Amino acid sequence: QVQLVQSGTEVKKPGASVKVACKASGYTFSDYHIHWVRQAPGQGLEWMGWINPNSGGTNYAQKFQGWVTMTRDTSINTAYMELNRLASDDTAVYYCATEGRLGESFFDYWGQGTLVTVSS
Amino acid sequence: EIVLTQSPGTLSLSPGERATLSCRASQSVSSTYLAWYQQKPGQAPRLLIYGASFRATAIPDRFSGSGSGTDFTLTISRLEPEDFAVYYCQQYGSSPPTFGQGTKVEIK
Repeated sequence: QVQLVQSGTEVKKPGASVKVACKASGYTFSDYHIHWVRQAPGQGLEWMGWINPNSGGTNYAQKFQGWVTMTRDTSINTAYMELNRLASDDTAVYYCATEGRLGESFFDYWGQGTLVTVSS
Repeated sequence: EIVLTQSPGTLSLSPGERATLSCRASQSVSSTYLAWYQQKPGQAPRLLIYGASFRATAIPDRFSGSGSGTDFTLTISRLEPEDFAVYYCQQYGSSPPTFGQGTKVEIK
């Protein structure tokens, strides 16, 4: 069965960077884009961007351009999301998710989420 | 970007009742690329509906989606205890994909 398993909770200081991992199993990793979505405490869902595991190509939401980097390691079926220059309002749960159909950005499988807390 | 507005913000109902949730888009959603998700506290969202009306795998048939253009609806025909949660709509017809702010379905 398809599983996305994310790395654990992070606590960072303002100005630092964080890198979250998302390990995929149960399907062919290169077949579907991996997306990243975040959710601040008590708030809604915010799409950050996707990576094509096959080519490494990326598409970031305009808000995150120059600030987020999505990469992948196909040898271990893992995608990464790195966010730089963290501020307190980046405190959120970060999810990875696969798209339901190639090129259609609805999300059928999700990771368990990684809580990133930014605090001095 | 397309802004999705969900209503009501909170729906207070009893088990066995029918729930009707609305999602309105600021511009037409192409190809009915509209999805619905359910989220319970401490859990990741769960896909319920995609393509406005297609149930995802293993989703009970009490959940149904309808609509096109700018107006979409999620209907839960008879609420079960496990259905009390927050529901989000999402459009993926144009980039960036965007989500509504959510509707909380709570026990009356």
